[in-house]
Amino acid sequence: KQEVTQIPAALSVPEGENLVLNCSFTDSAIYNLQWFRQDPGKGLTSLLLIQSSQREQTSGRLNASLDKSSGRSTLYIAASQPGDSATYLCAVRTLPSGTYKYIFGTGTRLKVLA
Amino acid sequence: GAGVSQSPSNKVTEKGKDVELRCDPISGHTALYWYRQSLGQGLEFLIYFQGNSAPDKSGLPSDRFSAERTGGSVSTLTIQRTQQEDSAVYLCASSLDRAIINEQFFGPGTRLTVL
Repeated sequence: KQEVTQIPAALSVPEGENLVLNCSFTDSAIYNLQWFRQDPGKGLTSLLLIQSSQREQTSGRLNASLDKSSGRSTLYIAASQPGDSATYLCAVRTLPSGTYKYIFGTGTRLKVLA
Repeated sequence: GAGVSQSPSNKVTEKGKDVELRCDPISGHTALYWYRQSLGQGLEFLIYFQGNSAPDKSGLPSDRFSAERTGGSVSTLTIQRTQQEDSAVYLCASSLDRAIINEQFFGPGTRLTVL
């Protein structure tokens, strides 16, 4: 059974710092992995999607990497800003075997201090 | 539409009443998902619709929960005889669900409070 873990559960950093959020999964047979942010009281906003054949994806100050063999993904945020404060969730999609759903981690709650 | 929409945004109900939550996916998206997010918890998968295929209902927590998707577009999640433990944010997502690209787009959610 696929399980997704995110460490740390919460993180507080000063503005301008570069930071790394971690996501690990127990079954390496994934189809893709998606990173989201969730602002308080809001739905999820897609940040990056990495296909199983890819090693990384970049969007602006965000870079996500994927190491399937070790069951890990990292989300790198460069030059963090107070507007980056949110909960960051990763989700893996298992290979089509009757289950097409994403399995989500419990998230990392990030606070960037001005 | 421009994105996934859900209604109502907030619903307060009394224990034992039935509720209906609505999701309008992005036009053209064939896949639709319902999730539940309880306070302090991760997202819990409930049900998945893909085109005209039979839905994957493996995540529904009890037979009080049901969902339908009419005409391959709008979906309704129904909770019968609501209990206090049903209180949560219910999120809907849609995607093109192609083999390679399957990026999910989420609605803003419906916050359900059962008194």
